Amino acid sequence: QKEVEQDPGPLSVPEGAIVSLNCTYSNSAFQYFMWYRQYSRKGPELLMYTYSSGNKEDGRFTAQVDKSSKYISLFIRDSQPSDSATYLCAIIPHSGGSNYKLTFGKGTLLTVNP
Amino acid sequence: EAGVAQSPRYKIIEKRQSVAFWCNPISGHATLYWYQQILGQGPKLLIQFQNNGVVDDSQLPKDRFSAERLKGVDSTLKIQPAKLEDSAVYLCASSIPRDRGRNIQYFGAGTRLSVL
Repeated sequence: QKEVEQDPGPLSVPEGAIVSLNCTYSNSAFQYFMWYRQYSRKGPELLMYTYSSGNKEDGRFTAQVDKSSKYISLFIRDSQPSDSATYLCAIIPHSGGSNYKLTFGKGTLLTVNP
Repeated sequence: EAGVAQSPRYKIIEKRQSVAFWCNPISGHATLYWYQQILGQGPKLLIQFQNNGVVDDSQLPKDRFSAERLKGVDSTLKIQPAKLEDSAVYLCASSIPRDRGRNIQYFGAGTRLSVL
C-alpha cells in the first residue's frame, strides 16, 4: 500500500461547479497536510496547509482532514477556468529534527470548462 | 522576493550522456531540495540539504546521480550516465526550517529532461 493515494483523474467540470479532490494515507504518524497546485510547465505552489482534523477555509477553497479515517479533501467552490491545474496532496510526518520530508500524492488533473 | 531559480528549463540528451542542473534558492532559505517528477506522478524527493550538509539522500540513485551545495546557497544536480527512465522534470525547492513541521517549500519551475 502506498503511503499516499490520490485519484489522478482527470476531472472535468463546468464553470461554477463545486469540486472535491481527495487523498487517503496509510501512516497515522502523518500530522501535517498540504495541498499544492501545479499549473502546466510550472512548479507546485502551496495552496492550503493544516495540521489538525476539521475544516480550514480560504476564500473559495476548503481543506478538510479526517485523521480517524486517514482521509483529506480539498473543496473548490464556484470553480473558475483559472483553477484548471493539477492538484497535489502532500503530507509530512510529525517528527523532530530538520527532516520534514514531504510525501506527495500522484496529483489530480482538473479542467474547469467555461 | 525573488523565487527559486532553475536552469536550464529544458534539456534533451542521448542516453549515456551526462547532464547538470542548477538551482538558486530563495535568499535566506537554509534548506534546499531536489525532486524528480515523472509524467503523471507526484514529485519524489531525491536529496535534501541543510545549508551545505546532506540531510536525506535515501532515494538518490547514487551510482549515477550526484548533488552538491558547496557554499550553502546554490546547488547543482548531475546525472552521469543518463538512462531513458531519467526523463522527468527535476524540481528544486527551498524552505526556512521551522518548528512543528511548518515546512513551507517553495518550488522552482523545474528543468524538463528528455533522454533519447
